[in-house]
Amino acid sequence: QVQLVESGGGVVQPGGSLRLSCAASGFTFSSYGMHWVRQAPGKGLEWVAFIRYDGSNKYYADSVKGRFTISRDNSKNTLYLQMNSLRAEDTAVYYCAKDLVVAASYYFDYWGQGTLVTVSS
Amino acid sequence: EIVLTQSPATLSLSPGERATLSCRASQSVSSYLAWYQQKPGQAPRLLIYDASNRATGIPARFSGSGSGTDFTLTISSLEPEDFAVYYCQQRSNWPPFTFGQGTRLEIK
Repeated sequence: QVQLVESGGGVVQPGGSLRLSCAASGFTFSSYGMHWVRQAPGKGLEWVAFIRYDGSNKYYADSVKGRFTISRDNSKNTLYLQMNSLRAEDTAVYYCAKDLVVAASYYFDYWGQGTLVTVSS
Repeated sequence: EIVLTQSPATLSLSPGERATLSCRASQSVSSYLAWYQQKPGQAPRLLIYDASNRATGIPARFSGSGSGTDFTLTISSLEPEDFAVYYCQQRSNWPPFTFGQGTRLEIK
């Protein structure tokens, strides 16, 4: 069965950095685009970033562009999110999510359990 | 950026009743719209994609309809486990992929 397990969250000071990981199993990771989606405490969902199956293209929300970098290691079945210059408004649960189909549908059919990032001094 | 507006913000119904949730887009998204369910402390779950296609394992009581700017998620007869927050999401014009603000479906 498909499993996505995020790690790397924690408390960081404003301006600091953090790298999130998402370990994937139960499907052919190298064939699917992957996303990061976040949810601030008590708030709705916000798409953060997308990477194509082979890492050839990456897309970002304006709110994180230039600060966050999405990447993947298909040999390790792992997705990453490098977060730099963190701000208080980046505080959220970060989910990795798998795209629905191989050709990239841009819908999210499997989600991890999420990892909490708290940006606070 | 396409803005999705969901209504109502909160819907209070009883088990067995029919639920109708609305999602309106600020411009046409064709049929490129999905619905997700999220329960407290859990990740979202894909229910419907491309406006009307049920995702794998989703019960038949969930159905989606609409195209262009107006979409509806219908739950034909509410089960106790259906009380949750529901989000719509568009993939027509991206980036970014955008979500609605959510509709909370609560037990009356």
